Amino acid sequence: QKEVEQDPGPLSVPEGAIVSLNCTYSNSAFQYFMWYRQYSRKGPELLMYTYSSGNKEDGRFTAQVDKSSKYISLFIRDSQPSDSATYLCAILAGGYNKLIFGAGTRLAVHP
Amino acid sequence: DSGVTQTPKHLITATGQRVTLRCSPRSGDLSVYWYQQSLDQGLQFLIQYYNGEERAKGNILERFSAQQFPDLHSELNLSSLELGDSALYFCASSGAGTGVDTGELFFGEGSRLTVL
Repeated sequence: QKEVEQDPGPLSVPEGAIVSLNCTYSNSAFQYFMWYRQYSRKGPELLMYTYSSGNKEDGRFTAQVDKSSKYISLFIRDSQPSDSATYLCAILAGGYNKLIFGAGTRLAVHP
Repeated sequence: DSGVTQTPKHLITATGQRVTLRCSPRSGDLSVYWYQQSLDQGLQFLIQYYNGEERAKGNILERFSAQQFPDLHSELNLSSLELGDSALYFCASSGAGTGVDTGELFFGEGSRLTVL
């Protein structure tokens, strides 16, 4: 079993839709969870960062962690074509910024 | 722009050859990370250096090696290349010496390696 599982999609939605992206993880000791966004032909960039359980909101983006079910989610409200990218969940899995990434979900928002 | 510079952007070579990928981290960042991204394996951690010293190793093949120089730039050397080594290779940097692991890495735009 992989430490982080993420459905690679692709996911295609109309502009204005609410998007839900999800990952599951296997180790209950993980505490720090991140979402990275990767545009085509670019490197990943940190989108949101969450510690432990709960929600974190940043504009149209909400990151949610449910430690009881080992499930992390990213919600995008009022999705825009500029949100079209690959979204990678990541977990801080140890010291020295050791990150484990999910496979990434490719999202396309069409006008 | 993340501030991380990678060269070359594209590289095409033949099986059995050796290539060197270069990375300049963000100004002041002491940590450099190398990742490999392929369609079937996703983003895989290869190796990390901190201020010139190897700090962590991931799924890096013995045919691959890396180093970080006194000016903090890093090179990833890939030798005896195989078809399966074709991938995007990302360099990332972090932590301008804060000593705090935040999980925030700053990625370059990658070097796309094609092995024919």
